[in-house]
Amino acid sequence: NAGVTQTPKFQVLKTGQSMTLQCAQDMNHNSMYWYRQDPGMGLRLIYYSASEGTTDKGEVPNGYNVSRLNKREFSLRLESAAPSQTSVYFCASSEFGGWNSPLHFGNGTRLTVT
Amino acid sequence: SQQGEEDPQALSIQEGENATMNCSYKTSINNLQWYRQNSGRGLVHLILIRSNEREKHSGRLRVTLDTSKKSSSLLITASRAADTASYFCATDRGSGAGSYQLTFGKGTKLSVIP
Repeated sequence: NAGVTQTPKFQVLKTGQSMTLQCAQDMNHNSMYWYRQDPGMGLRLIYYSASEGTTDKGEVPNGYNVSRLNKREFSLRLESAAPSQTSVYFCASSEFGGWNSPLHFGNGTRLTVT
Repeated sequence: SQQGEEDPQALSIQEGENATMNCSYKTSINNLQWYRQNSGRGLVHLILIRSNEREKHSGRLRVTLDTSKKSSSLLITASRAADTASYFCATDRGSGAGSYQLTFGKGTKLSVIP
């Protein structure tokens, strides 16, 4: 049982380049999330998808777009990467809304923007 | 803005001792959750305590919740070297869309010395 799978694990981008972070879960969960983790800042929610077909902004959505491709997959896109987006990105899923059921996390994508 | 804040930021103990971490939050919640993060990995859910519960146990973990003080504590008894990790509390933002927006604190970094 793979749980939540994120690709790639590592990525280096130059300023202005674009990329898409992929996330897939095999637990038939309804809700999916993208967080970023920076030293001293904890985890901050970028976007979430409460259910298939819906997406909503979190705390720090600027510079990002998301797509809930189907119930399994939730991708995060950086259209024009900036050094401030250097971070570790985590995808997570939960059976129901985040307050009512545990989040299951992937192992992260470590992104460096130079 | 941070909803949950852990205290202390770092804690170093000898194997076999107990470790206590605290979390304070600002607004009313539905539930509070604790997560563990090993270095270089995603977060792993430990325990969820509902706002109408005062104490919950899971193995060597004991969580308390005091909604009047807006605080929670995580106690790890008889600590092991494998407990070395960062520990985060997570809270929701109440009802509606906020219920999906789990907010994480900055974490307590626990080191258990063999």
